Amino acid sequence: EPEVTQTPSHQVTQMGQEVILRCVPISNHLYFYWYRQILGQKVEFLVSFYNNEISEKSEIFDDQFSVERPDGSNFTLKIRSTKLEDSAMYFCASKEGVDYGYTFGSGTRLTVV
Amino acid sequence: GENVEQHPSTLSVQEGDSAVIKCTYSDSASNYFPWYKQELGKRPQLIIDIRSNVGEKKDQRIAVTLNKTAKHFSLHITETQPEDSAVYFCAAMGGAQKLVFGQGTRLTINP
Repeated sequence: EPEVTQTPSHQVTQMGQEVILRCVPISNHLYFYWYRQILGQKVEFLVSFYNNEISEKSEIFDDQFSVERPDGSNFTLKIRSTKLEDSAMYFCASKEGVDYGYTFGSGTRLTVV
Repeated sequence: GENVEQHPSTLSVQEGDSAVIKCTYSDSASNYFPWYKQELGKRPQLIIDIRSNVGEKKDQRIAVTLNKTAKHFSLHITETQPEDSAVYFCAAMGGAQKLVFGQGTRLTINP
């Protein structure tokens, strides 16, 4: 069964540093998403991406965040200057079309120290 | 935007009994309602979903019901087993193609 792949599985970074989280969605999927989950809390929407542009972003997704699909296969989330409160599990997801559900990646645990 | 409320936040049942988790949503345009099971440190895994043109769906021990008029949907797990212990999330998706999640229910099955 096709999978959404995320790397790295765990990233530790110092406060103020930039991080890039990487995702390879399923190849024929058209919609791409980033979600985050702070430990013990619910899964929160960050951003959706369709047709090579952001289609929606949440209040969490401020100027410190950006997304790119640089080469037609990878889908990256960049945090420019990490804060302690950015520590969370970040999930990438993709879906094939309008009437389809998501497939989630295995997540990247980001720890900001 | 869409808002999804989920209850209860924790649920403890005896092995073999049934468990019911309930969710309400706010956006009447939402038309897709999945349920995810999440084990500690792992990704949410889709266990069952329902679309707005259906009132009930069943898959072995798991069933979901949807009441569009009242804007609520429920997950039913029968004959619970220890491996059913996990956090369960409901979600709703509307025209924006974005899933909004409930707060989660930690289900514990007591042997």
